[in-house]
Amino acid sequence: NAGVTQTPKFRVLKTGQSMTLLCAQDMNHEYMYWYRQDPGMGLRLIHYSVGEGTTAKGEVPDGYNVSRLKKQNFLLGLESAAPSQTSVYFCASKNSGSYNEQFFGPGTRLTVL
Amino acid sequence: AQTVTQSQPEMSVQEAETVTLSCTYDTSENNYYLFWYKQPPSRQMILVIRQEAYKQQNATENRFSVNFQKAAKSFSLKISDSQLGDTAMYFCAFMKQNDMRFGAGTRLTVKP
Repeated sequence: NAGVTQTPKFRVLKTGQSMTLLCAQDMNHEYMYWYRQDPGMGLRLIHYSVGEGTTAKGEVPDGYNVSRLKKQNFLLGLESAAPSQTSVYFCASKNSGSYNEQFFGPGTRLTVL
Repeated sequence: AQTVTQSQPEMSVQEAETVTLSCTYDTSENNYYLFWYKQPPSRQMILVIRQEAYKQQNATENRFSVNFQKAAKSFSLKISDSQLGDTAMYFCAFMKQNDMRFGAGTRLTVKP
C-alpha cells in the first residue's frame, strides 16, 4: 500500500495563478483532511471531508476550495494564489471514529511569488 | 475555539537520558482526544502516542509516555532512554470530532 500520496511535491506559482493539489489514499478511509504548515506554527486545518461528495470548512478555509468526487481522492484548489498562501500543505486520512489515527502524506511545498 | 500551547520552542537532551515536553490546551469540552506527533527532517508526520480524555490512565508506548492532567488541561510527553533518532519536531494536538488543533511544536535535539 502506498498510504497517502500528494501531487505535486513542489510548486512555484505567480500571484493570481491557480492550481490544484491532489491527495490520494488507498486505505479506504472515510475521512480526509487538508492542512497547511507555516514556520513557527503547527498544522492548521483548511478543509476536511467525512465521505465521498461531502466537504466542510476548517480553521483557515479562505482562499481555498476542495472537492471529494471519489472516496480515495481529495483535491485542494487555489483559484487565485496569493503570497500569503506560501506554505507546506499536508493531506491526511483516517477511518471513522475520533480515536483513530490520521495518516499523513509527505507534504507539498508551495511558493507563491 | 480550542487552543494548544507548547511553551518550549526548543529542547535538548543527552542520549539515553529522559526528557519531558510540555503541552497545555484550552477547551470547554469534556470528551476529546489528545495526540503527540513527531515530525523528523523528512517532514513526515508520525503519530507517537494518543490519549482519550475520558480515560484516567496515562497512555504508554514503549519509551514514550504521557502525563495527562485533565483538570489542569495538561498533556506532557516523556521520552525515556532518548535516542538519536528521536531528534525531531514534536507537536501536541487536540481533537474534538473532526477539528484537530496543533500546538506550535517543540524542536527536540538528542545529543550523542
